[in-house]
Amino acid sequence: DTGVSQNPRHKITKRGQNVTFRCDPISEHNRLYWYRQTLGQGPEFLTYFQNEAQLEKSRLLSDRFSAERPKGSFSTLEIQRTEQGDSAMYLCAIGGRGRNEQFFGPGTRLTVL
Amino acid sequence: GENVEQHPSTLSVQEGDSAVIKCTYSDSASNYFPWYKQELGKGPQLIIDIRSNVGEKKDQRIAVTLNKTAKHFSLHITETQPEDSAVYFCAAIYGGYQKVTFGTGTKLQVIP
Repeated sequence: DTGVSQNPRHKITKRGQNVTFRCDPISEHNRLYWYRQTLGQGPEFLTYFQNEAQLEKSRLLSDRFSAERPKGSFSTLEIQRTEQGDSAMYLCAIGGRGRNEQFFGPGTRLTVL
Repeated sequence: GENVEQHPSTLSVQEGDSAVIKCTYSDSASNYFPWYKQELGKGPQLIIDIRSNVGEKKDQRIAVTLNKTAKHFSLHITETQPEDSAVYFCAAIYGGYQKVTFGTGTKLQVIP
């Protein structure tokens, strides 16, 4: 148990629909990250929050993607007007006690039909 | 930006043998190198990490070595067991940033 839950675990949607994923750290963690992982590849960094401030964003995070962490606890990742290329596993991670440690949740698998 | 290469992409070993996975990184500013194990349908699990001021680190059957000059780091698993079967990812963190760059993964199969 890494101390992170993600919901839903699976999401199937039609192209053009909006989807929202949620990440809930079990306890308070300053650092929170979102990654995307496609089949057969390593996770790719999307964005990083320090408390409620979004401090880093990847170029992968197009205008259709938005992430929030309103109270510095849970976080949401929304994808608008989904495309088939958005099909992937979306992983949330929290920072550990070590400066760079990151612990991943179980992920949300998105399938866009 | 950072680029991490990982070899081999697949590795089969007999139970009890050792397994070695190698990675190279491109940016000399990287200073933290974690290794993750990912089982099917699960998120990556941090199994060991090493910082650039250390050459080797060991935790029971798992060890990691780092050669800063050559920008190489390796994962060594001794006395492999069937439950070690998974995909392993090396990664590097670039300087003072929080972005982790992952390798492409090694699918390890331990044959009983």
